[in-house]
Amino acid sequence: AQTVTQSQPEMSVQEAETVTLSCTYDTSENNYYLFWYKQPPSRQMILVIRQEAYKQQNATENRFSVNFQKAAKSFSLKISDSQLGDTAMYFCAFMKHTGGYQKVTFGTGTKLQVIP
Amino acid sequence: EAQVTQNPRYLITVTGKKLTVTCSQNMNHEYMSWYRQDPGLGLRQIYYSMNVEVTDKGDVPEGYKVSRKEKRNFPLILESPSPNQTSLYFCASSFTSGARGTQYFGPGTRLTVL
Repeated sequence: AQTVTQSQPEMSVQEAETVTLSCTYDTSENNYYLFWYKQPPSRQMILVIRQEAYKQQNATENRFSVNFQKAAKSFSLKISDSQLGDTAMYFCAFMKHTGGYQKVTFGTGTKLQVIP
Repeated sequence: EAQVTQNPRYLITVTGKKLTVTCSQNMNHEYMSWYRQDPGLGLRQIYYSMNVEVTDKGDVPEGYKVSRKEKRNFPLILESPSPNQTSLYFCASSFTSGARGTQYFGPGTRLTVL
């Protein structure tokens, strides 16, 4: 079974600064996908960024980027130029990709507070 | 508008009274999933479906049933709810598995079992 660990239950960052959220996972799979989701106080789950394990290049979406280290099984999220609207819970997720499966494992989340 | 809808959004019920939470998507997605979210535990997958009449267990399927008779609908059934099923429930859908199949989440259903 896969496990996903987010070791930082809470973090804070000053507005306009950069913050990195950590995520590690454990799997014996070779083909898989990794995601970061944002959950603001509204509780809506919003995809932030995704990474295919077979791609060496780190994914980037505007102010959000990841540092994907496959050998170390690490998938951290960097938020640049933090904005007040980034205040939310952030979840790391692992998706196994084998024969049509869509088993997904989430981490326990990191609560990020952006301070004005 | 492309969306995943869940009903009801809030539900308070009593132990043992059967209930169904509906989930519907209008994007013609093959994959649909149910998750529960509990404080400190993140989201845990209950069941998922790869297409009509094809479902499989996630990590916490005990006490739940699902069915997929139509592509757009994926109801979650609690035959005999218990207080430990009090949680926030999310339905999600996607076109295909993997990163191309980004999951679209519904707004959530807050369930309280007394």
